Amino acid sequence: GAVVSQHPSRVICKSGTSVKIECRSLDFQATTMFWYRQFPKKSLMLMATSNEGSKATYEQGVEKDKFLINHASLTLSTLTVTSAHPEDSSFYICSAREPHQPQHFGDGTRLSIL
Amino acid sequence: GQQLNQSPQSMFIQEGEDVSMNCTSSSIFNTWLWYKQEPGEGPVLLIALYKAGELTSNGRLTAQFGITRKDSFLNISASIPSDVGIYFCAGQLIDTDKLIFGTGTRLQVFP
Repeated sequence: GAVVSQHPSRVICKSGTSVKIECRSLDFQATTMFWYRQFPKKSLMLMATSNEGSKATYEQGVEKDKFLINHASLTLSTLTVTSAHPEDSSFYICSAREPHQPQHFGDGTRLSIL
Repeated sequence: GQQLNQSPQSMFIQEGEDVSMNCTSSSIFNTWLWYKQEPGEGPVLLIALYKAGELTSNGRLTAQFGITRKDSFLNISASIPSDVGIYFCAGQLIDTDKLIFGTGTRLQVFP
């Protein structure tokens, strides 16, 4: 149980394009989803918290217009990196949780901007 | 962002040895979680701890929630090559859904 699917696993695109990453909870309803960014050999840094049907809460220093988050249903959240540039290249990971349960993570998306 | 102090940073051990790692914080947590991450993948939950003093096992893994609620440790007994990976602790602050992650312990196991 508690499977989180993240898609795509890898994206390579040109500078200036927008990239959408999907995060789905496959066997449970995720009232809250989270988006993290991880740099090589570093820990996970929380970018934003997303509750179904409401606006995401962004961590300090994370540009909400740059990283658009939508949590339209209890099983799907999306992160769109708008007008991506090389400095946005990173490993992005989502997680999802039911109330009073621990977070379960997707397998991550490696984003490479050329 | 805020991170937990996790040690050791890395460990190189021989198969069969026991492993111990810990996390400490200046903040009080109501939940401690331990995850394992392998290259190119997301973290996988190993153990969840919900009460101060709680000691929980999952196979060869044992973790404890410190009495002060500011620390936790993870032990791995009789390590095997597939234990290789990065282990992260994560604490959940009171009255929040957010997790604060440790800096990670990179484990290498040699046959």
